[in-house]
Amino acid sequence: DAGVIQSPRHEVTEMGQEVTLRCKPISGHNSLFWYRQTMMRGLELLIYFNNNVPIDDSGMPEDRFSAKMPNASFSTLKIQPSEPRDSAVYFCASSPTNYEQYFGPGTRLTVT
Amino acid sequence: KQEVTQIPAALSVPEGENLVLNCSFTDSAIYNLQWFRQDPGKGLTSLLLIQSSQREQTSGRLNASLDKSSGRSTLYIAASQPGDSATYLCAVPTDSSYKLIFGSGTRLLVRP
Repeated sequence: DAGVIQSPRHEVTEMGQEVTLRCKPISGHNSLFWYRQTMMRGLELLIYFNNNVPIDDSGMPEDRFSAKMPNASFSTLKIQPSEPRDSAVYFCASSPTNYEQYFGPGTRLTVT
Repeated sequence: KQEVTQIPAALSVPEGENLVLNCSFTDSAIYNLQWFRQDPGKGLTSLLLIQSSQREQTSGRLNASLDKSSGRSTLYIAASQPGDSATYLCAVPTDSSYKLIFGSGTRLLVRP
């Protein structure tokens, strides 16, 4: 099993640009999570999906952030327009039914 | 509101020592508790998951215990090695959902 796959691994963009982060969960896992990690705030849950349906997006910081899961094997997190304070590492994780979460390697986003 | 605390924030030990990392949580009505390891610049690796009905889980040199009534978990690492150097995080799900609340982590350095 390849584990959770995220792309790109690194993204550098200018303020105001659109950023799209991608995630492929582990096959057979029915839950998917997007997290953001910063030095100041640690790990924060942004949104989670169950069976491709968004269940809780209360962690999404503002309307500039959106996430989709069109099928069981793919999800995107989009930031439009991006701002310097969005710079962080964004993790995707997936989980089977026993609650154990498996994390991807993360995307390090830098917005200049 | 569930809060998760990890003490100490950082720990430095010589190679070969046995050590204990601590995790405490404010709401004892948890479904499980998960310990993760994070290497610098990398994602999180799940180490152990303890269900609420269990008191401990073991994997190799790692042993995690759970005391729900006191709101505590410990991660015991036997015969520490330099390769164990990483940040260790504990996390618990909020109520009946899959959302994880993370502690701020313990940064471990094992000196050769």
